[in-house]
Amino acid sequence: GAVVSQHPSWVICKSGTSVKIECRSLDFQATTMFWYRQFPKQSLMLMATSNEGSKATYEQGVEKDKFLINHASLTLSTLTVTSAHPEDSSFYICSARGYNGEQFFGPGTRLTVL
Amino acid sequence: AQKITQTQPGMFVQEKEAVTLDCTYDTSDPSYGLFWYKQPSSGEMIFLIYQGSYDQQNATEGRYSLNFQKARKSANLVISASQLGDSAMYFCALRRGNNDMRFGAGTRLTVKP
Repeated sequence: GAVVSQHPSWVICKSGTSVKIECRSLDFQATTMFWYRQFPKQSLMLMATSNEGSKATYEQGVEKDKFLINHASLTLSTLTVTSAHPEDSSFYICSARGYNGEQFFGPGTRLTVL
Repeated sequence: AQKITQTQPGMFVQEKEAVTLDCTYDTSDPSYGLFWYKQPSSGEMIFLIYQGSYDQQNATEGRYSLNFQKARKSANLVISASQLGDSAMYFCALRRGNNDMRFGAGTRLTVKP
């Protein structure tokens, strides 16, 4: 099946720093990418939806200035957590959807903010 | 609005037996898709099975089958012949048309030897 990669797989950073997470579709073109956040023992919560070349659509309660999403190409989307704080520590998962509607998930990135 | 409900926070099953994980949903869209994913402790989301709202037959994929009852808006996952490796979190998800995918709260399945 199609593969979606995320980098890094885990990151530890100090409070106040910014962290960039990359999501790549390796063997298909992703017209739409989704970013989810998952706190321990909870479900995946959709943060935002992005289409290539356009601004992301954020879910209610998600700060667009804090979670910057860039979908610059059909194979790459990035999520930047700006001025990270301990409460931003979470598991971030991207998902990519191709032209045929099939959707695939990345392996996730575990962010720990000290 | 759409809603996905998984009422079983945790389930136990004896190895080699079958288990049913419940999922109900609520949507007014006539076209939608229902998905089940398995999430082991590693965190990756593993796709298990898909059911389209217009599909006439229940979906099956190996040991996984989906008991789709459209009128009741339920899409329960049945795992037959449980294996120790089936122990994981299981999420039901709903996608309306070509929109985003929303997840239920999940069910933690533990297979006992």
